Amino acid sequence: DVKVTQSSRYLVKRTGEKVFLECVQDMDHENMFWYRQDPGLGLRLIYFSYDVKMKEKGDIPEGYSVSREKKERFSLILESASTNQTSMYLCASSSLGGSGGDTDTQYFGPGTRLTVL
Amino acid sequence: GQSLEQPSEVTAVEGAIVQINCTYQTSGFYGLSWYQQHDGGAPTFLSYNALDGLEETGRFSSFLSRSDSYGYLLLQELQMKDSASYFCAPPGRRALTFGSGTRLQVQP
Repeated sequence: DVKVTQSSRYLVKRTGEKVFLECVQDMDHENMFWYRQDPGLGLRLIYFSYDVKMKEKGDIPEGYSVSREKKERFSLILESASTNQTSMYLCASSSLGGSGGDTDTQYFGPGTRLTVL
Repeated sequence: GQSLEQPSEVTAVEGAIVQINCTYQTSGFYGLSWYQQHDGGAPTFLSYNALDGLEETGRFSSFLSRSDSYGYLLLQELQMKDSASYFCAPPGRRALTFGSGTRLQVQP
């Protein structure tokens, strides 16, 4: 049974704090993704990674960074949290696809609801 | 670049059929995926159309017309548990693009 886990379901932080959101997958997937989801805006891609130590910016990378030191783990970092980063954060993973035209099912974690005060 | 259009909300009654449309503009098109998300839950994969035509999986079917940049998700014999948000997601150059989704409310 495929599984993507995220370190916290709910998190409350203060403005200016450094925040780490952790995601672990047990499917040996090459690809991992971080999204944020806000009402009326759907899912927006923050960063993704196709391999260990590799990262690429998504559509809204500003204010975020990521780390992928091991294949199964993909971390999202908010260097200095701000109130406009209050959101639901979703991690996902998929097996290797790419520009050849294939798409692979993305498996999502349960999400972390982050509130920045 | 990529853009997606889906209706924001659809309401239907139990037992009915509902169609959720998706129009898109994307460079380098490789098919269309659909995901379902219940309130408080994570998105889960429903279907993928690599080619034009209809794909059927139980009560759910998905259709794609690449020449029209258009697809739809068809849900038959609606059940209360189908109340959820539905996202179409065309693959981009490197990752899926999700729109705002369509919130489906099934009423008794």
